[in-house]
Amino acid sequence: AQSVTQLDSQVPVFEEAPVELRCNYSSSVSVYLFWYVQYPNQGLQLLLKYLSGSTLVKGINGFEAEFNKSQTSFHLRKPSVHTSDTSEYFCAVSSNTGNQFYFGTGTSLTVIP
Amino acid sequence: DVKVTQSSRYLVKRTGEKVFLECVQDMDHENMFWYRQDPGLGLRLIYFSYDVKMKEKGDIPEGYSVSREKKERFSLILESASTNQTSMYLCASRGWGTRLDNEQFFGPGTRLTVL
Repeated sequence: AQSVTQLDSQVPVFEEAPVELRCNYSSSVSVYLFWYVQYPNQGLQLLLKYLSGSTLVKGINGFEAEFNKSQTSFHLRKPSVHTSDTSEYFCAVSSNTGNQFYFGTGTSLTVIP
Repeated sequence: DVKVTQSSRYLVKRTGEKVFLECVQDMDHENMFWYRQDPGLGLRLIYFSYDVKMKEKGDIPEGYSVSREKKERFSLILESASTNQTSMYLCASRGWGTRLDNEQFFGPGTRLTVL
């Protein structure tokens, strides 16, 4: 089975500062990794995903994440945040053979003007 | 674009009522999922379906049932709603082995309040 840990439940950051949202996973098999964003009162929207290949993955809205197999991490980064990035962010893992996704508990990012 | 729709954005029901939440996807996806989302707990899987008439229990199936009579539609049923089922319910679908690379696509969610 897989599991996902998002180490920070809340991350406040000033506008135009860089941000990193941390995600660690546990799995005994090869995995796919995902970051989703959820705007208020909406469903989840995919930011980026890692399936295979390059460990640095670029997504929408200037976000990127790096897959680190040895540390079993998939941290999300953005070099300069905007107030529009204020939202809830979820990390998820899926095995490459299974049907289920496993989600972290979410990180609430607040960008302060 | 993949589209997942849910029948209601907001729903208010009374304790003991039978509640149906409907989800429809338009991409011929094999897999469909129902989650509930609560503050501090993230998304928890209630049930998923990998084909028509096929279903599997997720992590928290108690108090819920599901129905998948057609590939595009996946229904979540609360047989007798209780106040602890007040939550945001999210439906998702996922292709398998398709060009969509196995991500889940989510509906907008239904915020259910049970009084």
